[in-house]
Amino acid sequence: GNSVTQMEGPVTLSEEAFLTINCTYTATGYPSLFWYVQYPGEGLQLLLKATKADDKGSNKGFEATYRKETTSFHLEKGSVQVSDSAVYFCALSDRENNDMRFGAGTRLTVKP
Amino acid sequence: DTAVSQTPKYLVTQMGNDKSIKCEQNLGHDTMYWYKQDSKKFLKIMFSYNNKELIINETVPNRFSPKSPDKAHLNLHINSLELGDSAVYFCASSRRPGGRSTEAFFGQGTRLTVV
Repeated sequence: GNSVTQMEGPVTLSEEAFLTINCTYTATGYPSLFWYVQYPGEGLQLLLKATKADDKGSNKGFEATYRKETTSFHLEKGSVQVSDSAVYFCALSDRENNDMRFGAGTRLTVKP
Repeated sequence: DTAVSQTPKYLVTQMGNDKSIKCEQNLGHDTMYWYKQDSKKFLKIMFSYNNKELIINETVPNRFSPKSPDKAHLNLHINSLELGDSAVYFCASSRRPGGRSTEAFFGQGTRLTVV
């Protein structure tokens, strides 16, 4: 079946540091890939997405590239802010039946 | 207007009780989901419905029964609640399968505490 594996963390960084959260996937078909963010006490919000190989999703300074050859979708940001502190989830969606699977989540804490 | 709304936001109940959580989406989506998030933030899919038809039913105790009266609603009924059912339950929806934009939109969650 489909699955997602991501770096579990927690990750603690200083403000303006570079962020990478690794994500790899296993899928039988050709999935769409997503990063979601969950702020404390809230639901999940879509951060960015990519629907085909070599697509780069980007939003709010975050980026991730759909790498079919390495089955990866790593999240990066060049300079994190305190307001980026949240839990980040990598996810994939099977286009045949909308089966959406999530990684374990990575808690990011950014200190001033 | 809230796109995916679930009620109640908080639910505290005793072991053995039966409770329901309601979910409605006004996005015109065909697919709806229930997810359970444990205290470690791990998010596990429970059920998925497409146009009122059950598509995914993960290994969930049969005390949990989803009901979809129409494609805009997916309610979750839980019988004989146990302490281990304490978690945050999220409802979500997405467009019909086969398209490129299949991202899910989430409700704010229902924090269930069983005492």
